[in-house]
Parts: sequence; structure tokens; C-alpha cells
Amino acid sequence: QVQLVQSGAEVKKPGSSVKVSCKASGGTFSSYVFSWVRQAPGQGLEWMGGIIPVFDTANYIQKFQGRLTMTTDESTSTAYMELSSLRSEDTAVYYCARDGLDGSGSYYALDYWGQGTLVTVSS
Amino acid sequence: EIVLTQSPATLSLSPGARATLSCRASQSVSSSLAWYQQKPGQAPRLLIYDASNRATGIPGRFSGSGSGTDFTLTISSLEPEDFAVYYCQQRSNWPYSFGQGTKLEIK
Repeated sequence: QVQLVQSGAEVKKPGSSVKVSCKASGGTFSSYVFSWVRQAPGQGLEWMGGIIPVFDTANYIQKFQGRLTMTTDESTSTAYMELSSLRSEDTAVYYCARDGLDGSGSYYALDYWGQGTLVTVSS
Repeated sequence: EIVLTQSPATLSLSPGARATLSCRASQSVSSSLAWYQQKPGQAPRLLIYDASNRATGIPGRFSGSGSGTDFTLTISSLEPEDFAVYYCQQRSNWPYSFGQGTKLEIK
């Protein structure tokens, strides 16, 4: 049974950084894409980007370029998301999710999700 | 970037009724569309991928259809646990955008 367990809630000052972890268990880590999705209070889902551990390659959406860094540690099967220069609009629940692989080796959807990490940015 | 528009924003139905949710893409995404269900305080759960394939463990009352730009999620007979918010996500072009969601509420 695949499980993604995220780190706990954070309260940060504007201008600071936050690093959220996502530890995977129960499945192969390296070959999957790990995506990060955020959800501001009362709002919808926003896909931020993803990383493939085996290639150590990350892609971020344009609005986060320069502020967002995704990394992985294969030795501990953990994915990380670091967001810098935080502002109040970054207050949200941040989810990690795994892209499922089908029989032909294609990634098809976010099949497993972490429980979410609330990041509050406030002075 | 592909924009997904979901309708209606809110759908009010009674248990046992049939629910039909729509997701329209600003350009073709072929069949690369997924549906997720989210309940308050919980992470989203994958229901449907590749437009019409049910994810593991998803009940048969959930079905997806469509291709190109128009997609539908149908719940054949609503159970009390089905009242939630539903999101579509396109997996065709990066970035993999989500729709704004449809809230399915009890009438």
C-alpha cells in the first residue's frame, strides 16, 4: 500500500522560505513523478510542478519560476518542495501527489496523495 | 496554457439521483483527462483517468466520458458519501491545469 506522509504545519513570516517534505512508502520511488499541488483557503486546486527522482529533473509553472525548488532524496524516498520569498497569498495547503504509471510506462494521473501541509504566511 | 471550465459551479441533488458534471477544455486534450473528488479537510482522490477509466477501488456508479474538449463525469445514483467537490485535470499539455471545481451538494 503506497503512502505519502507530509511534514507538519508551518507558520512563516513574509519574505522567508518554507520547505515541506513528503515521504513515500510502499512502492518504487525513483521512477515516478512527484507533483506538488496547492489549495488556498476556500479555493480550488493549483498544480505547481513535478519532479522525477531518477532523472532529478523538475518542472515548475511560470508563476513560481525563481521561487520554487523541488528536490528528492532517493535514499529516504522523500520529496521536498521549497518556496521562497513567501507572501500572504502563498497561505495554502500544499499537497504532494504521485503520478501513476500505466502498463505502457505512461504517467496518467495523480493516484496517491499526501495528507497536505498547511503553510500560513503572516507577520 | 489550457483552461478547463467546469459546469455547473454548484449542483444540488437528492440521494439516489443521477449527477452529470461537465468539464470543457480551451483546446483539445485528446483523452488525457482525470477527475478527482475532494471532501472537506481531505486530500483529493482520483476517480477517473484517461477520460473513462475508473481508478482502483472506485465504485461502478462513477463513469467518465468524452474526448477532445468536452468531458462528462456521471454518478448514476448518488450515495450520501458522494456529496463533495469534483475537479477535472488535463494531462495532455504541460502545465497540467485543473478546472475550478463543481460542488455537489445535498438538495
